[in-house]
Amino acid sequence: QKEVEQNSGPLSVPEGAIASLNCTYSDRGSQSFFWYRQYSGKSPELIMFIYSNGDKEDGRFTAQLNKASQYVSLLIRDSQPSDSATYLCAVTGGYSTLTFGKGTMLLVSP
Amino acid sequence: EPEVTQTPSHQVTQMGQEVILRCVPISNHLYFYWYRQILGQKVEFLVSFYNNEISEKSEIFDDQFSVERPDGSNFTLKIRSTKLEDSAMYFCASSEQRGRSTNEKLFFGSGTQLSVL
Repeated sequence: QKEVEQNSGPLSVPEGAIASLNCTYSDRGSQSFFWYRQYSGKSPELIMFIYSNGDKEDGRFTAQLNKASQYVSLLIRDSQPSDSATYLCAVTGGYSTLTFGKGTMLLVSP
Repeated sequence: EPEVTQTPSHQVTQMGQEVILRCVPISNHLYFYWYRQILGQKVEFLVSFYNNEISEKSEIFDDQFSVERPDGSNFTLKIRSTKLEDSAMYFCASSEQRGRSTNEKLFFGSGTQLSVL
């Protein structure tokens, strides 16, 4: 059984701060890693994906992957109130289906 | 920007009734999926579909569920005899590719909220 674990939160940060969201996964064969953002009552929206160990930056977002530790993280710099949402970590092992974590709720206060 | 569209946005049905949820995937995508999310819980995989057949399904996807691509654009999920526990948000998704590729990203529709009474 493939598991993706996330702290449910909420993670509260002030506006302008860095938010750090973490995820661990159980399947060592996992190859592709995704971060989705989900606003309440809405569908998941892809914000980042990463395949290789290390960091990948896209605007205010940085995804970090450590396959040895089976750990993925998402950093959000200069957090804005509009970033307040649930962040879903999702993992796939090549041709297998996408497995989601339960998500971490982020609250950014003005 | 291309998007996955789902209809209806809300569906209310009586227990034991059949429902059909409809989706139009992104036009050049080849892989189609249904996921569901019970309120407060995680997004769960139901089924994937490629080349007019099911490629993978979860244990949730039992004999009460079926999928179909009746024409070149629609992708449907049918629940034959709904149960109370089928109440959830159902998301359709599509991707251009499978496997480790920048085109394997899943794009989700806005969902159908199914309420079984």
